[in-house]
Amino acid sequence: GENVEQHPSTLSVQEGDSAVIKCTYSDSASNYFPWYKQELGKRPQLIIDIRSNVGEKKDQRIAVTLNKTAKHFSLHITETQPEDSAVYFCAASEASGGYNKLIFGAGTRLAVHP
Amino acid sequence: NAGVTQTPKFQVLKTGQSMTLQCAQDMNHNSMYWYRQDPGMGLRLIYYSASEGTTDKGEVPNGYNVSRLNKREFSLRLESAAPSQTSVYFCASRNLGQANQPQHFGDGTRLSIL
Repeated sequence: GENVEQHPSTLSVQEGDSAVIKCTYSDSASNYFPWYKQELGKRPQLIIDIRSNVGEKKDQRIAVTLNKTAKHFSLHITETQPEDSAVYFCAASEASGGYNKLIFGAGTRLAVHP
Repeated sequence: NAGVTQTPKFQVLKTGQSMTLQCAQDMNHNSMYWYRQDPGMGLRLIYYSASEGTTDKGEVPNGYNVSRLNKREFSLRLESAAPSQTSVYFCASRNLGQANQPQHFGDGTRLSIL
């Protein structure tokens, strides 16, 4: 089955700096890679996703890149703000069984300091 | 449009007690999922239902049972609660009619087993 590893587990940046979170996956047949943001005590919420036929996707200050050959994808947040502080999870669709399941990374706790 | 609704939001049980966590979605999604979230462990899949009438084990199914009551509702049952089942439980739904769609999460149930 699919395995997703996420790094770093914690990340601390100054307001205005950029933050990068990286994930690797094991199943080359995986074709969908969403990113979720979870604020303290809240539900995970989708912030951006990318499909395997695309190498990069941007949405304002957030971007995701995908390298299918190396089997890794990254979340880039530019001009970070205190409200970006949260736990971020990457995920990959598991190809076996018809892509029914998303396999999640362990999460990255991002702290943005004013 | 409520999305994914979980009840209860909080529950305290004694070891050995049983209870059912309820989940309902109003987005006409065909797939539903139950996760548990423990500190530093990310989201671990307990059970999922790819479509009405089917259920499958996830990563950590032991000690749990599920029922896909209809297309809207997917319940999770703890038959004999154990302290190791203290966790936050999230229900999610997803539409697999179109490939590669994100999961939508409920607000979670915080369960403590004494």
